[in-house]
Amino acid sequence: GQQVMQIPQYQHVQEGEDFTTYCNSSTTLSNIQWYKQRPGGHPVFLIQLVKSGEVKKQKRLTFQFGEAKKNSSLHITATQTTDVGTYFCAVNNAGNMLTFGGGTRLMVKP
Amino acid sequence: DTGVSQNPRHKITKRGQNVTFRCDPISEHNRLYWYRQTLGQGPEFLTYFQNEAQLEKSRLLSDRFSAERPKGSFSTLEIQRTEQGDSAMYLCATPPGTANTEAFFGQGTRLTVV
Repeated sequence: GQQVMQIPQYQHVQEGEDFTTYCNSSTTLSNIQWYKQRPGGHPVFLIQLVKSGEVKKQKRLTFQFGEAKKNSSLHITATQTTDVGTYFCAVNNAGNMLTFGGGTRLMVKP
Repeated sequence: DTGVSQNPRHKITKRGQNVTFRCDPISEHNRLYWYRQTLGQGPEFLTYFQNEAQLEKSRLLSDRFSAERPKGSFSTLEIQRTEQGDSAMYLCATPPGTANTEAFFGQGTRLTVV
């Protein structure tokens, strides 16, 4: 199945700063999904990208799917303490099984 | 409300004991998934049910693991002769609809093997 790598593993930011996490694959991805997991919580679905070059926004969150469909990014503008958590990208393989990246843990200093 | 209920939320067991977890989707879902998440890692696929049929099993699912979905509704995951390496969060997930591919996760069962 398709595999994805995420960078960075950790990110500390000051509240109000921007944050970006990247998801990369050596192969062309059929789709990419993003999840957020709060400390002590479970992964929560944020969005799915399917089309080459697709850009979707959810308030301060901007999701992009690369033109070659081999990478994706999640950008948060003006982080808030409520953004704290681990952000995972995931690809949907045959049988609708998800393969997750290792995640980027975001910590926001107030 | 994720639409998926898991219990127990936490389980501490001694090495060598058997444990069973339960997953109850709140509404009818033909697909149901089990994932395992260890500390600092992303969830890893364990197994997948289409109604009551177990269609896929990961290499992570050793002979000590067994999963069932007897009536195509709730599911159980049993681990026999637990080992310390089994300590993890066990997550159950369903898609929100028949045509959806995203996963709605339950709150998970955190297993600690001592």
